[in-house]
Amino acid sequence: NAGVTQTPKFRVLKTGQSMTLLCAQDMNHEYMYWYRQDPGMGLRLIHYSVGEGTTAKGEVPDGYNVSRLKKQNFLLGLESAAPSQTSVYFCASSYQTENQPQHFGDGTRLSIL
Amino acid sequence: GDSVTQMEGPVTLSEEAFLTINCTYTATGYPSLFWYVQYPGEGLQLLLKATKADDKGSNKGFEATYRKETTSFHLEKGSVQVSDSAVYFCALSSNYQLIWGAGTKLIIKP
Repeated sequence: NAGVTQTPKFRVLKTGQSMTLLCAQDMNHEYMYWYRQDPGMGLRLIHYSVGEGTTAKGEVPDGYNVSRLKKQNFLLGLESAAPSQTSVYFCASSYQTENQPQHFGDGTRLSIL
Repeated sequence: GDSVTQMEGPVTLSEEAFLTINCTYTATGYPSLFWYVQYPGEGLQLLLKATKADDKGSNKGFEATYRKETTSFHLEKGSVQVSDSAVYFCALSSNYQLIWGAGTKLIIKP
């Protein structure tokens, strides 16, 4: 059972470069989420999606874009990377009924130089 | 808005000690409550959950009881092991999202 798979696991970028983080889930979940985790800050929601073709802003959306073209995939894009975006990024998914737990990927460690 | 407050860490204990990590919440309605665990270098894993008042969630020797009167969901374990060293997150459900506490790092010394 793959669950939630994030690609890549590690990446180093230079300031101004762009990249896309991929999240794939095989649990047929409607909802998907992108978080960032920084030391002492806990988890902060960047964007989320409640279904194929939909996206919405979370707590810290600036500097990021997302797309949900297929139900199983949720992409997070950085158009022009900044050092402040150095973080560990987690993708999660859940069923559409209320009060469901979220299932997490193993994370992408991203460093912006 | 809804919020979750966890005790600050790190919490350092000796092996076989009793563990309590405090979690209190503010919420409208009747949210479900969760504890997640994050081992070093890994993603978050659901540890236990409770969906209504007075429910007790339990898993791997950990327990937490949903206390509506004190708006709390404290995590407890009777005898911790070195392998329990991790970061523990308390969370509540709100409008199909999870509201997260800041996390509590637990260090268990042999």
